[in-house]
Amino acid sequence: SQQGEEDPQALSIQEGENATMNCSYKTSINNLQWYRQNSGRGLVHLILIRSNEREKHSGRLRVTLDTSKKSSSLLITASRAADTASYFCATGLNTGGFKTIFGAGTRLFVKA
Amino acid sequence: NAGVTQTPKFQVLKTGQSMTLQCAQDMNHNSMYWYRQDPGMGLRLIYYSASEGTTDKGEVPNGYNVSRLNKREFSLRLESAAPSQTSVYFCASSAQGVETEAFFGQGTRLTVV
Repeated sequence: SQQGEEDPQALSIQEGENATMNCSYKTSINNLQWYRQNSGRGLVHLILIRSNEREKHSGRLRVTLDTSKKSSSLLITASRAADTASYFCATGLNTGGFKTIFGAGTRLFVKA
Repeated sequence: NAGVTQTPKFQVLKTGQSMTLQCAQDMNHNSMYWYRQDPGMGLRLIYYSASEGTTDKGEVPNGYNVSRLNKREFSLRLESAAPSQTSVYFCASSAQGVETEAFFGQGTRLTVV
């Protein structure tokens, strides 16, 4: 099974609302990253949080990391229709070589 | 800046045929990756190359081979394509393995009939 699992699988909100997506993982990590994918396109990196960090901000994005619970959350504030996309968490593992393992993603739909 | 370039963008193969997916990056990154994405499965790591001259298996390596031709190029070969290999394939690169963000190509949509 995959290292990272996002929750919920799908989320539909109104423009202007906040969107929260969660990610749980199973093993110790070096860092955790969030990516966005617009339909049919490649992934775009949003933010990276290291294992010794608890919270990070980037524009309208806020990411938290709780290594004791092996979980992370991505908050998008004041969502826009353009935020409609799939969001993936990815865990960076140094054990057994350099690997970045992705979860199955959360599909976010922001209604105008 | 081209970033990560994959070719081809689309390909249809017959079962048993072989092909090579090409990937090149112009960011002087050390690490490169091949992923496949299936509906509802997210991305699964096929092979990766932590640095020039090294390659390692990921989560789903069976049926694939890779070559890190030089620092810029990392190719993925299907020796005998099977319908189960129908997927979208993404190449990615990063400066320093998992320490830094990955940059992705636009993907290759492969159909095996």
